[in-house]
Amino acid sequence: ELKVEQNPLFLSMQEGKNYTIYCNYSTTSDRLYWYRQDPGKSLESLFVLLSNGAVKQEGRLMASLDTKARLSTLHITAAVHDLSATYFCAVDMDSGYALNFGKGTSLLVTP
Amino acid sequence: EAEVAQSPRYKITEKSQAVAFWCDPISGHATLYWYRQILGQGPELLVQFQDESVVDDSQLPKDRFSAERLKGVDSTLKIQPAELGDSAMYLCASNTPGRNNEQFFGPGTRLTVL
Repeated sequence: ELKVEQNPLFLSMQEGKNYTIYCNYSTTSDRLYWYRQDPGKSLESLFVLLSNGAVKQEGRLMASLDTKARLSTLHITAAVHDLSATYFCAVDMDSGYALNFGKGTSLLVTP
Repeated sequence: EAEVAQSPRYKITEKSQAVAFWCDPISGHATLYWYRQILGQGPELLVQFQDESVVDDSQLPKDRFSAERLKGVDSTLKIQPAELGDSAMYLCASNTPGRNNEQFFGPGTRLTVL
């Protein structure tokens, strides 16, 4: 059974601060996906990481993948309120398979 | 911009009633997924279609849930009879599998069973 674990599950941080969300998974997959979900809304794709050492950045968010450690990180730089949302990482067994999601990290950025 | 369409967006029903959800994937996407997301959890797969064929329905409660994608385009997910524990967000996603298995999600249907 493929397991995906995120931590922390809840994160309250002040604007302007930095923090990292961790995603560990149990399979040997070299693909990992990050999604954002706003309350009551659907999932929005943030990053697709397709190889060991992959790093992608968009604005204040940067995602990386270490397939040997089976670990992905989502780093938040100088947080702003608009980043408040739930962030999910997901892994698939292989191309064409469904995604297995973590439980999500609920992020609240406060003034 | 191409999007996955779902309807209805919200559905309130009483237990033991039948409900149906509809999904229209992004044009050209051969693979369609139905996920269920319970409040506070990540989405979990219910059923996966490749064109009109079911690829994986191992997590679909087949005594009450059914899904079809008759022409390999849009899809319907049905629950009969609905139970209180079925209250959740039902998400449809689609993609064209390749090296990048990124999936694109629709707006979802929020089901409340009373």
